[in-house]
Amino acid sequence: EPEVTQTPSHQVTQMGQEVILRCVPISNHLYFYWYRQILGQKVEFLVSFYNNEISEKSEIFDDQFSVERPDGSNFTLKIRSTKLEDSAMYFCASSLDLAGNSGNTIYFGEGSWLTVV
Amino acid sequence: DAKTTQPTSMDCAEGRAANLPCNHSTISGNEYVYWYRQIHSQGPQYIIHGLKNNETNEMASLIITEDRKSSTLILPHATLRDTAVYYCIVRVWGDTGNQFYFGTGTSLTVIP
Repeated sequence: EPEVTQTPSHQVTQMGQEVILRCVPISNHLYFYWYRQILGQKVEFLVSFYNNEISEKSEIFDDQFSVERPDGSNFTLKIRSTKLEDSAMYFCASSLDLAGNSGNTIYFGEGSWLTVV
Repeated sequence: DAKTTQPTSMDCAEGRAANLPCNHSTISGNEYVYWYRQIHSQGPQYIIHGLKNNETNEMASLIITEDRKSSTLILPHATLRDTAVYYCIVRVWGDTGNQFYFGTGTSLTVIP
């Protein structure tokens, strides 16, 4: 069964460093997302991406964050200057079609655990 | 933002049916109800979704009330591996309404 894959599974970084989290969405999917989950808290939406541009973003997704689809398969999340509060599990997800279309759903990867020290 | 209300936690005996309720009283006519689960902070796993008809797949059944203000996810024969947090999510139909808003979900514990 096709799946969303993420790398690395765990990364430790120093505060102020740049981090890039990578994702390979399901191959025929057109919509891509990043979510995050701080330990013990809810899963929170960060950003959605379609047709090589951001389609929607939350308040969390400030200027420190950026997303990119550098080639036909990878989808990345960059945090420019990490803060302690960026420590979280980051989930990449993808979907075939637009929200609400019958049968369409979002599939999540297993996550990248980021620890900022 | 979550638009859904779920009990915080539930227990279920192994082998019995687990019935997880969800209220979505503000749902509108074109919004789907989706269920996901999360095991030990792994990625959310899709279970099932529906609009107004009851749905069944290999994992679960989804019963949606006629007024669509509530639904119930049924795991027919719960196993220990079904212990997880279950999220009921209402999707929004829109040009850019691609995101899911996760609430706190129901923490289901399957007891041996």
